[in-house]
Amino acid sequence: GAVVSQHPSWVICKSGTSVKIECRSLDFQATTMFWYRQFPKQSLMLMATSNEGSKATYEQGVEKDKFLINHASLTLSTLTVTSAHPEDSSFYICSARASGTSGANEQFFGPGTRLTVL
Amino acid sequence: DAKTTQPPSMDCAEGRAANLPCNHSTISGNEYVYWYRQIHSQGPQYIIHGLKNNETNEMASLIITEDRKSSTLILPHATLRDTAVYYCIASGSARQLTFGSGTQLTVLP
Repeated sequence: GAVVSQHPSWVICKSGTSVKIECRSLDFQATTMFWYRQFPKQSLMLMATSNEGSKATYEQGVEKDKFLINHASLTLSTLTVTSAHPEDSSFYICSARASGTSGANEQFFGPGTRLTVL
Repeated sequence: DAKTTQPPSMDCAEGRAANLPCNHSTISGNEYVYWYRQIHSQGPQYIIHGLKNNETNEMASLIITEDRKSSTLILPHATLRDTAVYYCIASGSARQLTFGSGTQLTVLP
């Protein structure tokens, strides 16, 4: 199946610093990538939709100036958490959508990045 | 995305079939049914999807009722490694996936 990687798998940073998370589709091209956030014992919440070569679309309540998304190529999207604070500590997961001949567009998920802000 | 309803938890004996139900009574004609699972502290794993017909792959079978208002994911021979949260999602082909709370499947030895 399609493989999506994320880097780093975990990161610990001090409050006020910025953290960049990379999401790569390894064996397919992804015109659309998605960024999710998951807090403990909760389900995944969509943060933003990232289309290659254009600005990301953010979900309501997600600050676009705090969570910077860049989708510069068909295989790479990055999420930068700027001026991170302890409440930004979470599990960040990306996914990439592959177009299938059936017309459905199943998404393939990365392994996630655990962010801890001290 | 159409709303889906799943039981919060289920147990299954190792080696037996696990049948996970999902209700999606408001699904529209162009929405697919997707199943994903998430093992603790990992990203979700795609399992299977379908539109109208039953589907089978190396991981599971998906049975969709004729009126498409519900479906069942079948893991034919559950193993301990199948313990995970299983998400049923109804979504159109061009839309993002909306995750509900899913079903925690626990496979018991």
